[in-house]
Amino acid sequence: QKEVEQNSGPLSVPEGAIASLNCTYSDRGSQSFFWYRQYSGKSPELIMFIYSNGDKEDGRFTAQLNKASQYVSLLIRDSQPSDSATYLCAVKEAGNMLTFGGGTRLMVKP
Amino acid sequence: DAGVIQSPRHEVTEMGQEVTLRCKPISGHDYLFWYRQTMMRGLELLIYFNNNVPIDDSGMPEDRFSAKMPNASFSTLKIQPSEPRDSAVYFCASSSLAGGGNEQFFGPGTRLTVL
Repeated sequence: QKEVEQNSGPLSVPEGAIASLNCTYSDRGSQSFFWYRQYSGKSPELIMFIYSNGDKEDGRFTAQLNKASQYVSLLIRDSQPSDSATYLCAVKEAGNMLTFGGGTRLMVKP
Repeated sequence: DAGVIQSPRHEVTEMGQEVTLRCKPISGHDYLFWYRQTMMRGLELLIYFNNNVPIDDSGMPEDRFSAKMPNASFSTLKIQPSEPRDSAVYFCASSSLAGGGNEQFFGPGTRLTVL
């Protein structure tokens, strides 16, 4: 059973701070990793994906991947109240399937 | 593009009744996925199709669940008979291999309540 683990939170950060969201995965052969954001009552939407070890930046978001440690993280700089949502980590399996973690609820307080 | 369309948005039914959920993927997408989301189990993949052919249905919980994709623009997920434990939000998502297959676009979901 391939597993993707996330701390359920809530993770509370003040507005303007950096939010750090973490995810571990069990399948050492996994190659592609995704971060989705889900607002309450809405559907998940893709924020970014990463394939290679290291950092990938997109605006205020940075994804970090460490395959040796089987660890992927998402940093949100200058957090805004509008970033308050549940963040889902997903790992791509064979045949285009995604296995999702349970999600981390982020609360950004003004 | 209208995005992935799901219907109904909400469904309330009684135990034992048949439930049919519908999905129209984004035009041109060749992958279609059905997910179920609950507080206890999170977002789980039930089944996915490639070019209208079911590829992996290992996530389908039991024989009460069935899914079809008769053409590239329509899919159904049927539960017969429904049980209270089937209460969840069911999402349909689609993606395009031509687009790299990296992003799955989710529909708005169907919130199912089985009484």
